[in-house]
Amino acid sequence: DSGVTQTPKHLITATGQRVTLRCSPRSGDLSVYWYQQSLDQGLQFLIQYYNGEERAKGNILERFSAQQFPDLHSELNLSSLELGDSALYFCASTPDRALGNEQFFGPGTRLTVL
Amino acid sequence: AQSVTQLDSHVSVSEGTPVLLRCNYSSSYSPSLFWYVQHPNKGLQLLLKYTSAATLVKGINGFEAEFKKSETSFHLTKPSAHMSDAAEYFCVVSPHPNTGGFKTIFGAGTRLFVKA
Repeated sequence: DSGVTQTPKHLITATGQRVTLRCSPRSGDLSVYWYQQSLDQGLQFLIQYYNGEERAKGNILERFSAQQFPDLHSELNLSSLELGDSALYFCASTPDRALGNEQFFGPGTRLTVL
Repeated sequence: AQSVTQLDSHVSVSEGTPVLLRCNYSSSYSPSLFWYVQHPNKGLQLLLKYTSAATLVKGINGFEAEFKKSETSFHLTKPSAHMSDAAEYFCVVSPHPNTGGFKTIFGAGTRLFVKA
């Protein structure tokens, strides 16, 4: 158990809908990272937040957004969903903002768009 | 530009035989290198990491990896495979914590099959 929690575990929705994925980092970790894992694209870095502020951006679509709250939990919002958004979404956390440290991964949220 | 290439998408070994998962990287900066393992329907777990200390890095569950700068490789090995090693393995290149410079890049993954 990494100490990172993600909810929900599974999510099934329809095209055009909007969903919110939630992540709670390990106790004391200030950085949260979001990743998308799909069969055709592999594991893709989406975005990093550090202590409430956006720190680094990866291959995140404009339809997707994220935020980190004062209690350090983070939410990833996916809107106007398409079939191709079906994937496993992971969050990870680290103690600080440096990009070169070990990341602790949550169990993931499996999103299915029908 | 930074990149990481896992040379085999699938590797199949028999239980008790050695494991070799290959990873080459490209980085303009001194990188940190990691191997993560992902068991089915689970998140990623760190196996080991290299951050410019010893070039031979020992990890959990008997795995180790050797950083070879001249070959830009960071291959993962284990002397004797166990059935529980069957999983997907990811090689990751990341900026060194002291230098930064680019974003973390994950390899495409190597699925390890272990036959009884």
